[in-house]
Amino acid sequence: SQKIEQNSEALNIQEGKTATLTCNYTNYSPAYLQWYRQDPGRGPVFLLLIRENEKEKRKERLKVTFDTTLKQSLFHITASQPADSATYLCALDSGGSARQLTFGSGTQLTVLP
Amino acid sequence: NAGVMQNPRHLVRRRGQEARLRCSPMKGHSHVYWYRQLPEEGLKFMVYLQKENIIDESGMPKERFSAEFPKEGPSILRIQQVVRGDSAAYFCASSSPGTLAYEQYFGPGTRLTVT
Repeated sequence: SQKIEQNSEALNIQEGKTATLTCNYTNYSPAYLQWYRQDPGRGPVFLLLIRENEKEKRKERLKVTFDTTLKQSLFHITASQPADSATYLCALDSGGSARQLTFGSGTQLTVLP
Repeated sequence: NAGVMQNPRHLVRRRGQEARLRCSPMKGHSHVYWYRQLPEEGLKFMVYLQKENIIDESGMPKERFSAEFPKEGPSILRIQQVVRGDSAAYFCASSSPGTLAYEQYFGPGTRLTVT
């Protein structure tokens, strides 16, 4: 069956360092992969989308890589700040007319001042 | 441009009552999705609708749950005869009808508590 794993439930890093979050999937051939941020008591917020034919995508301090051979995406936050503390969700979509997203369970990131 | 709106934000129902959750998508968006997030669990897809059509309801429980997105007005997720296990946060998301616009924009959620 299809499975998405975000490797760490919780990740603590020091302010200013680069946070790296991992998303692995099995039995899946996503057309694209998305990353969302969720704060306690709020809905997820879209951050980045990367397509199956793209290796890397950047947006300000965020960078996403997508390796369809390894079936893995890495999400990096450079120069991390305490305000980056949140749960980060990886989501896969098979594309086409389906459009439904399958979410990982998330990684809770805490950036320590 | 207002974001996705959901109401009520909090809803308390006794076992056996009905719950109605409303979602107004972002302006210009005609695709609506409903997700459920159980305590300490991830987001699970329930249903995908376009105006007056259910496109994919593969994540909906077979009984007691229904959804609609009428030509006019918000999308409604209806849960009949609620049970304690229905207690969860229900999120609505919307997306643009553009063929390459796959990112989804989420509302603040409705937190349903069944007592």
